[in-house]
Amino acid sequence: QKEVEQNSGPLSVPEGAIASLNCTYSDRGSQSFFWYRQYSGKSPELIMFIYSNGDKEDGRFTAQLNKASQYVSLLIRDSQPSDSATYLCAVKLEHNDMRFGAGTRLTVKP
Amino acid sequence: DAGVIQSPRHEVTEMGQEVTLRCKPISGHDYLFWYRQTMMRGLELLIYFNNNVPIDDSGMPEDRFSAKMPNASFSTLKIQPSEPRDSAVYFCASSLALGPQSYNEQFFGPGTRLTVL
Repeated sequence: QKEVEQNSGPLSVPEGAIASLNCTYSDRGSQSFFWYRQYSGKSPELIMFIYSNGDKEDGRFTAQLNKASQYVSLLIRDSQPSDSATYLCAVKLEHNDMRFGAGTRLTVKP
Repeated sequence: DAGVIQSPRHEVTEMGQEVTLRCKPISGHDYLFWYRQTMMRGLELLIYFNNNVPIDDSGMPEDRFSAKMPNASFSTLKIQPSEPRDSAVYFCASSLALGPQSYNEQFFGPGTRLTVL
């Protein structure tokens, strides 16, 4: 079993819709969870992090964490074409070690 | 700050040749990570250092790969001999050393696209 699993997609949503990205992880000891965005040909960049159960909102982005279910999600409200990218879920293990999911490719159609 | 610097940005080599990738982390960062990204396997952690000391190299695929960090501002990833299956984008990232529930973002360099013919 992979440590971090994501639906590879592609996920396609119309402009203005809500995009929902999901991630599950295997290590129950994990404490910090991250969402990175990667545009084609570019390096990953952090957009959200969360470590407490529940929701965390930042602008159009909401991260949700459920440690009992070992599940992390990212909601993007009012999706824009500029949100089209691959979204990587990452889980922090001990010693600052990070494990990434394979990523979900999102396309927002105008 | 210039961010994480990697060189070269692109490398094309022939099978059997030695390849050396270079990375300069953000000044003051305690951790340095080497990743490899392919379409098939996604982003894989190869090795990471804390204060120039290798902590976990379990992700290094085989003995052909080696990494060093002689000082806080420089690291290399070497592949010798290179093979076509090593073709990938290699990212270097750095971060501060903070607690387990902290916002210790990893900052990625632009990557080196390696093609082994």
